[in-house]
Amino acid sequence: EPEVTQTPSHQVTQMGQEVILRCVPISNHLYFYWYRQILGQKVEFLVSFYNNEISEKSEIFDDQFSVERPDGSNFTLKIRSTKLEDSAMYFCASSGKTFTYNEQFFGPGTRLTVL
Amino acid sequence: DQQVKQNSPSLSVQEGRISILNCDYTNSMFDYFLWYKKYPAEGPTFLISISSIKDKNEDGRFTVFLNKSAKHLSLHIVPSQPGDSAVYFCAAKGSAGNNLFFGTGTRLTVIP
Repeated sequence: EPEVTQTPSHQVTQMGQEVILRCVPISNHLYFYWYRQILGQKVEFLVSFYNNEISEKSEIFDDQFSVERPDGSNFTLKIRSTKLEDSAMYFCASSGKTFTYNEQFFGPGTRLTVL
Repeated sequence: DQQVKQNSPSLSVQEGRISILNCDYTNSMFDYFLWYKKYPAEGPTFLISISSIKDKNEDGRFTVFLNKSAKHLSLHIVPSQPGDSAVYFCAAKGSAGNNLFFGTGTRLTVIP
């Protein structure tokens, strides 16, 4: 069964460093998402991406964040200058073939620890 | 931001009995609702969904009920199995956007 994959599973970084989290969505899906879950809190939407551009973003997704689909299979989330409060599980998701998809399929997550 | 609420952080049920997980929402613009199951160190796994034009959707042991007037949905698992033990998240989506709003989750423990 096709699945979303994410690498690395765990990333440790120093505050102020840049990190790139990688995802391979389900092939032939058209919509891609990043969510995060801070320990003990709910899963929160960050950004959605369709047709090579951001379609929606939350207020969490500020100028420190960017997304890219560099090669037609990978989908990346970059945090330019990490802060302590960026420590969280980051989940990639993908959905749809048509605009009426609704079910989003999630990857296993990357645990980001900022020291 | 408490648009989707799961007021029970945990639930314990005997194997073979029914598990009922509840979810409330406040935004009347939500038109699609989903339930996800999550094991530790894994991502949420899609279980079942329901459109706001329906009041029930069934898939095997899982049934989701939607009461729009009460802004309430529930997930029924019958019969419950030990492998169902996980955290269950309710999520909702509006017609205008793609992002999902999640509840805080309910940890279900099915006792053998």
